[in-house]
Amino acid sequence: GAVVSQHPSRVICKSGTSVKIECRSLDFQATTMFWYRQFPKQSLMLMATSNEGSKATYEQGVEKDKFLINHASLTLSTLTVTSAHPEDSSFYICSARTGLDNEQFFGPGTRLTVL
Amino acid sequence: AQKITQTQPGMFVQEKEAVTLDCTYDTSDQSYGLFWYKQPSSGEMIFLIYQGSYDEQNATEGRYSLNFQKARKSANLVISASQLGDSAMYFCAMRRGNSNTGKLIFGQGTTLQVKP
Repeated sequence: GAVVSQHPSRVICKSGTSVKIECRSLDFQATTMFWYRQFPKQSLMLMATSNEGSKATYEQGVEKDKFLINHASLTLSTLTVTSAHPEDSSFYICSARTGLDNEQFFGPGTRLTVL
Repeated sequence: AQKITQTQPGMFVQEKEAVTLDCTYDTSDQSYGLFWYKQPSSGEMIFLIYQGSYDEQNATEGRYSLNFQKARKSANLVISASQLGDSAMYFCAMRRGNSNTGKLIFGQGTTLQVKP
């Protein structure tokens, strides 16, 4: 089956620093990748849709300058949390979509803790 | 606006029994897709089952079946013969009508605990 990886799985950083999270589709080409944020015991909230070679589409209320998304190739999308603050601490999950409508595969997630 | 509602924050089931997790949705689209995902404590999202809005038969995947009632806009997940490993959070999700975007919107989730 399709595999999506995320790196790192956990990251702890100081307030004010930037953190980059990578999302890779390992055995397929993903024209579209999605970034979600999840607080403990809560649902997944879509942050942005990332298409290869074009600018990401952000959901309402998500700061574009805060959460920089780059989708440079068909197998890699990155999310950079700039000038991180404690309120940015969360579980970030990416998913990648294959060419078929009902196939979307999730990465294992990245737990970000900002001190 | 599209919306997914899961009204059961937590559910308990005895091992080997069946359990139904509720999901209702709201959409004005004619074409849409409904998904169920399992999220164990490790955090990964595991795809369980998919139902297309035009599918006439209820989807089944092993011990999972989706009770799709289109007129009532419900897509309940039925897990038969529950196992201890089924303990996890379960999310119902809907793909919005425009399949080109592939966006999923998720319900609030239901935490299932299987008792030995």
